[in-house]
Amino acid sequence: NAGVTQTPKFQVLKTGQSMTLQCAQDMNHEYMSWYRQDPGMGLRLIHYSVGAGITDQGEVPNGYNVSRSTTEDFPLRLLSAAPSQTSVYFCASRQGNYGYTFGSGTRLTVV
Amino acid sequence: SQELEQSPQSLIVQEGKNLTINCTSSKTLYGLYWYKQKYGEGLIFLMMLQKGGEEKSHEKITAKLDEKKQQSSLHITASQPSHAGIYLCGADRNTNAGKSTFGDGTTLTVKP
Repeated sequence: NAGVTQTPKFQVLKTGQSMTLQCAQDMNHEYMSWYRQDPGMGLRLIHYSVGAGITDQGEVPNGYNVSRSTTEDFPLRLLSAAPSQTSVYFCASRQGNYGYTFGSGTRLTVV
Repeated sequence: SQELEQSPQSLIVQEGKNLTINCTSSKTLYGLYWYKQKYGEGLIFLMMLQKGGEEKSHEKITAKLDEKKQQSSLHITASQPSHAGIYLCGADRNTNAGKSTFGDGTTLTVKP
């Protein structure tokens, strides 16, 4: 099994550009979440989904959109990139209350 | 996360020594999880604790949950260089398993 696959691994954007971070899982997990990790601030929840067609906001949702049309895919869209969105982004999935399986992350720099 | 306080923030130990990392919650816990992260990589799930007094072990790593104190400890026995990394605790605040919160992590360095 591939687990949770994130693409791209690295990305540089200019301020104002938009892009989509891809996330796919092949474990048929019901829950999927997006976190960002910043030095000194730990992991913060951006958006999450409890199943196909159902998404909700996390702690820091502004500037990001998500959708979940299938169980497998949970893309994160940056609408208009800002330097404050420079971070490492992690997608994670889980089934029930078992631990998360994390992707390897996307390092995003906004200049 | 201020909801989950980890201590210490960083730890340097000599190979072979034992160590303990603590995670204290300011809110009720529905589940406590420990993860390990190597630099530049994603988090790896280590173990899950759900009941007060519960204790789990994986190889030389043992985690315990004190429900009354809303605290968990992660203990590594006879540390090895392979144990080096960042250890994070995570917690579920309710039955919504999509909304875990995480501590800021403890960076462990093991000197050979």
